Order: sequence, then C-alpha cells, then structure tokens
Amino acid sequence: SAVISQKPSRDICQRGTSLTIQCQVDSQVTMMFWYRQQPGQSLTLIATANQGSEATYESGFVIDKFPISRPNLTFSTLTVSNMSPEDSSIYLCSGRTGVYNEQFFGPGTRLTVL
Amino acid sequence: DQQVKQNSPSLSVQEGRISILNCDYTNSMFDYFLWYKKYPAEGPTFLISISSIKDKNEDGRFTVFLNKSAKHLSLHIVPSQPGDSAVYFCAASDRNYGGSQGNLIFGKGTKLSVKP
Repeated sequence: SAVISQKPSRDICQRGTSLTIQCQVDSQVTMMFWYRQQPGQSLTLIATANQGSEATYESGFVIDKFPISRPNLTFSTLTVSNMSPEDSSIYLCSGRTGVYNEQFFGPGTRLTVL
Repeated sequence: DQQVKQNSPSLSVQEGRISILNCDYTNSMFDYFLWYKKYPAEGPTFLISISSIKDKNEDGRFTVFLNKSAKHLSLHIVPSQPGDSAVYFCAASDRNYGGSQGNLIFGKGTKLSVKP
C-alpha cells in the first residue's frame, strides 16, 4: 500500500486569495489524482496529475482555477486560485499503484473560504 | 446525473448484527467496483473490490455482492462492530481502470452507526 500525506490539513482563507496544497506519497505510484468533496456530496475528480506535463482536467474544472504540478512520481501540488466561498470543500490527493490497482487517498485538506 | 447512487444516507445497526449497504449504478460499462470506508478527518480507506466477472468477493467480515443485471451491489458486514462506524463509499470504474483512463466514480456515501 501507499501512504499519502497532505499539507496543510486545513486552512481558512479570504476570498480572492490562492492556496497551494501539497501531496507527498511514500512510494512511487503510477497515477496521482486530485478530488474534491463538497459538504454532503460524493468525491468528485478534479484532474489527473501527470508527471512532467499538464494535468488532465475533468469536465467543469479548468487549469486557470486549479493549476496542478507533478514534478516527480511521488509529489504533486494543487492550487485553488482566486478563491470564493463556493470553493469551501475537502480536497483529497489520491494515488494508484500498478500492482493491485488499488487507489489510496490522503487525509484531505479542509478549506474554508470566507 | 449520478452514475453511482447510494440511496441511504445513513444506517444504524446493533453490534453483532449484519450491516447491509447498498449501491446502484447506471453505466453498463462499469466493470470494477470498490468500497471505501472513511472516518472523520481521515481520507477514504480501501476496503474491498469486485470485478464484474464475479458475483461475490469475501474478505473476513466483509462480503461484496454484485448483481450485474440489476446494476446493483451491496456490502455485507458480519458481525458488525462499533469500530465499523464510518461513512462507506461505493465507487465504480470502466474497463480502462488499470490503464491510463478509467476513473473512479463515487457515490455520496452511507453513514453506518453500529451501536453497542
């Protein structure tokens, strides 16, 4: 299995600012993802983080709002840009190994935008 | 439109009894299904999975049943323990799960409470 850590674990931000969330995996994963879980909702995939190239975004999510980097196989960042209260959510980093294709999740970053 | 539905937002069960969590899906291309458990302030933890070539997969106290014709799966926990109290998410993926495509689609979750 893979152990995934995220920081910060939570933050309270002002409208119009940006926050960068870091994700570190303790072993190499073939794929890394970023999810969002809004209150009372399911986990929604934001994008697949690709090593050394632009992330692949799901419908409804754009690079200008959620820029993502993945400089190597074990690290990725997600930035929530120009935040509004609607961005208040839990943001989760996830990794998938190639062995059993299980997908693991980090503890999440709880973001509150005032 | 939700492709994976968990219609019961909550379930309360007595310790020692069976817990049955249900999940329905609409996309016939889904062929790999997973259950995740989530405690407060933690990320989801993988619990058990099943491929569409099977109709049952068992791991200790946890069994997942798949009914492809009904597009329905269920997770059985026997016997239920207070430590099982958590939110359970059903997730589904299509044939490309192991490749570069194949994303997980999650339900909204069911909050299980196991009372002593």
